[in-house]
Amino acid sequence: NAGVTQTPKFQVLKTGQSMTLQCAQDMNHNSMYWYRQDPGMGLRLIYYSASEGTTDKGEVPNGYNVSRLNKREFSLRLESAAPSQTSVYFCASSDLHGYTFGSGTRLTVV
Amino acid sequence: GNSVTQMEGPVTLSEEAFLTINCTYTATGYPSLFWYVQYPGEGLQLLLKATKADDKGSNKGFEATYRKETTSFHLEKGSVQVSDSAVYFCALTNFGNEKLTFGTGTRLTIIP
Repeated sequence: NAGVTQTPKFQVLKTGQSMTLQCAQDMNHNSMYWYRQDPGMGLRLIYYSASEGTTDKGEVPNGYNVSRLNKREFSLRLESAAPSQTSVYFCASSDLHGYTFGSGTRLTVV
Repeated sequence: GNSVTQMEGPVTLSEEAFLTINCTYTATGYPSLFWYVQYPGEGLQLLLKATKADDKGSNKGFEATYRKETTSFHLEKGSVQVSDSAVYFCALTNFGNEKLTFGTGTRLTIIP
């Protein structure tokens, strides 16, 4: 099925550990995004990529890095996880017709 | 910058009740406005959108009208169902900028 695929769906990390969240889309969209969702705060943009080879900071980029590996894939890396990064993470892609979201990664940092 | 202010939740209604979820925005120029819905355990799905003033977006019995004079995009449905229970997000993009700015979301629960 066409869409945005995120892995993993769930993850528990210890403080200080690192991990990479993977995202891939098969709709040939140029733009891709990483959002985090926290209670009472809606979705906040972490990083985005307007095209292959480019990335830009969003509203809350601190503690994260991203890689736009190719047109399909956009990964999010936490180098040293902190409890404040406990959240649900959504990847999305877009074209002029709108956004498609992945099903999310629920990350808990203990 | 852009911002979206949404009605605080949670909202609990009985089946067949009338629904309104308020949304107002601040943006320069002429933004496009959206309502997204998130069902439990899932990602966000586009519910409806409007791209210019006085446009009405509609889908699945939900409607919202782009009111530039009041900078609002309130979501309405005449008769809600249990299956409408979800979190609803108002959002906008600005011309030439695809980044979505979201409101905080409103959790809706419909009881039989």
